[in-house]
Amino acid sequence: DSGVTQTPKHLITATGQRVTLRCSPRSGDLSVYWYQQSLDQGLQFLIQYYNGEERAKGNILERFSAQQFPDLHSELNLSSLELGDSALYFCASSPRLDTQYFGPGTRLTVL
Amino acid sequence: AQSVSQHNHHVILSEAASLELGCNYSYGGTVNLFWYVQYPGQHLQLLLKYFSGDPLVKGIKGFEAEFIKSKFSFNLRKPSVQWSDTAEYFCAVIISSGSARQLTFGSGTQLTVLP
Repeated sequence: DSGVTQTPKHLITATGQRVTLRCSPRSGDLSVYWYQQSLDQGLQFLIQYYNGEERAKGNILERFSAQQFPDLHSELNLSSLELGDSALYFCASSPRLDTQYFGPGTRLTVL
Repeated sequence: AQSVSQHNHHVILSEAASLELGCNYSYGGTVNLFWYVQYPGQHLQLLLKYFSGDPLVKGIKGFEAEFIKSKFSFNLRKPSVQWSDTAEYFCAVIISSGSARQLTFGSGTQLTVLP
């Protein structure tokens, strides 16, 4: 157990819908990262927050957005969902800018 | 942009065999290197990391990796694998840019250890 929690574990929804994935970092970790893992794209970095501020953006679609709240938990919002958005979404956290520890992931299935 | 290459997509070994998984990265500056493991149905777990110092790093579960700067490589090794090592292994690199610290992952190597 890495200490990073993610909810929900599984999410099944329809195309065009909007979902919110939640991540609670390890106690004291200021940085939160979101990654997408799919069969065709592999593991790809989406976005990083550090102490509430966006620090880096990767291959994140415009339909996706994220935020980090004052209590340091983070949410990833996915809207206008398409079949190709089906994937595992991982959150990771790190103390300052050090080693990243991954959560169990949310498996999103878009039907 | 930086990239990470893992040339072995699937490796099949018998128990007690030695393991070496290749990892090469493309970036000429300072990098931090990692190996993560993902057991079936589980999340990514850190095996080992290299930030600086001794280029031979030891991780958990008997794994080690050697950073060879001249070859841009960070290969993972284990002298004797076990059935429980069956998993997917990911090499990753961080190129720090201010406070941006995203991991760039390789495509992964699926290791199957036969009992």
